[in-house]
Amino acid sequence: AQKITQTQPGMFVQEKEAVTLDCTYDTSDQSYGLFWYKQPSSGEMIFLIYQGSYDEQNATEGRYSLNFQKARKSANLVISASQLGDSAMYFCAMREFLSGNTGKLIFGQGTTLQVKP
Amino acid sequence: DSGVTQTPKHLITATGQRVTLRCSPRSGDLSVYWYQQSLDQGLQFLIQYYNGEERAKGNILERFSAQQFPDLHSELNLSSLELGDSALYFCASSSPRPDEQFFGPGTRLTVL
Repeated sequence: AQKITQTQPGMFVQEKEAVTLDCTYDTSDQSYGLFWYKQPSSGEMIFLIYQGSYDEQNATEGRYSLNFQKARKSANLVISASQLGDSAMYFCAMREFLSGNTGKLIFGQGTTLQVKP
Repeated sequence: DSGVTQTPKHLITATGQRVTLRCSPRSGDLSVYWYQQSLDQGLQFLIQYYNGEERAKGNILERFSAQQFPDLHSELNLSSLELGDSALYFCASSSPRPDEQFFGPGTRLTVL
């Protein structure tokens, strides 16, 4: 069965520094997608970045980059130049491909990030 | 703003009652997904609809049902509510390019 593991329940980072949030996954599929979402205290789920299993380059979106190591089955999120507004819960997710146009997501347990001024 | 809307934002009800949560996907998106986020279970996939048809089912209880209407909005019906059904319920939608899945703001359900 597919599984996402986030081993860091909580992380602290100093403002303006970079931080890496860990994510490992388990799947027997060759084709899959990996996502990161941010959930601030207000509760909404904000899409940050996506990496496809066949993408050769690591995905980047502004200050977010995804360090994709396929052989190690890891998809770590790197946030550069942390800002106070980055304090939130971060979820790693994997899309399970089912028949037809389906893309249900399997989520990890999340990592709470606190940015210190 | 993801473009996915959900109503109501908050819902407080009693055990044994029935509620309906509503979701409107982003314009042009054909797929709607429902997820439940609770403290003990985390974020779990419940069900997916694609262009009006049920496409995939996850850990959805028999007391729960959903449908997607011709205008593509979706409703999640929760009946015979129990205390453990208290959770944040998210709707998400995706375009035919399913590597983008955008979430609505969620409905926070409290069962007393």
